[in-house]
Amino acid sequence: AQTVTQSQPEMSVQEAETVTLSCTYDTSESDYYLFWYKQPPSRQMILVIRQEAYKQQNATENRFSVNFQKAAKSFSLKISDSQLGDAAMYFCAPGHYGGSQGNLIFGKGTKLSVKP
Amino acid sequence: ETGVTQSPTHLIKTRGQQVTLRCSSQSGHNTVSWYQQALGQGPQFIFQYYREEENGRGNFPPRFSGLQFPNYSSELNVNALELDDSALYLCATGAGVYEQYFGPGTRLTVT
Repeated sequence: AQTVTQSQPEMSVQEAETVTLSCTYDTSESDYYLFWYKQPPSRQMILVIRQEAYKQQNATENRFSVNFQKAAKSFSLKISDSQLGDAAMYFCAPGHYGGSQGNLIFGKGTKLSVKP
Repeated sequence: ETGVTQSPTHLIKTRGQQVTLRCSSQSGHNTVSWYQQALGQGPQFIFQYYREEENGRGNFPPRFSGLQFPNYSSELNVNALELDDSALYLCATGAGVYEQYFGPGTRLTVT
């Protein structure tokens, strides 16, 4: 079974500082995507960043970047210059190609608080 | 804004009843997936539809069923509601695994 582990149930960061959220996963697939989603109290799941597993270069999206270690099946999210609006639940999710067109397997999430 | 809408926003049902939740997406989003998110948990995959046919299913019983329509809307139907069905139900649409946009969800409470 595919599993996703987010070992930090809660994290806190000072505004303008940097924080890293960790994620490990288990999959037997060779081709897949990895996603980080953000879910604020409004409940809307928002895509933060995605990474194609076949790409060695780590994805970046403005203040958000990932550290993808395929052999270790690790996919951490770094948020630089944290802002109050970054406060939310963050979910890591691998998604697979194939006949199912890919469903996402979510971890339990990390609740990020941002202190002013 | 993802362009994905869900209705209703909130719903209260009694155990044993049936419920239909709806999701509408943008033109070209031929894949729709439904997820159940219990309180304090990550979303769990229920099933996916691709071009109006079920194309993958998670570990949910047959009383969870769905439909996808040519106009890029879809439905999630749940029969014989149980208390444990109380959750946030999310739909996600897109053109494939690399591109899934979530709706705001429907909060279902079963009493």
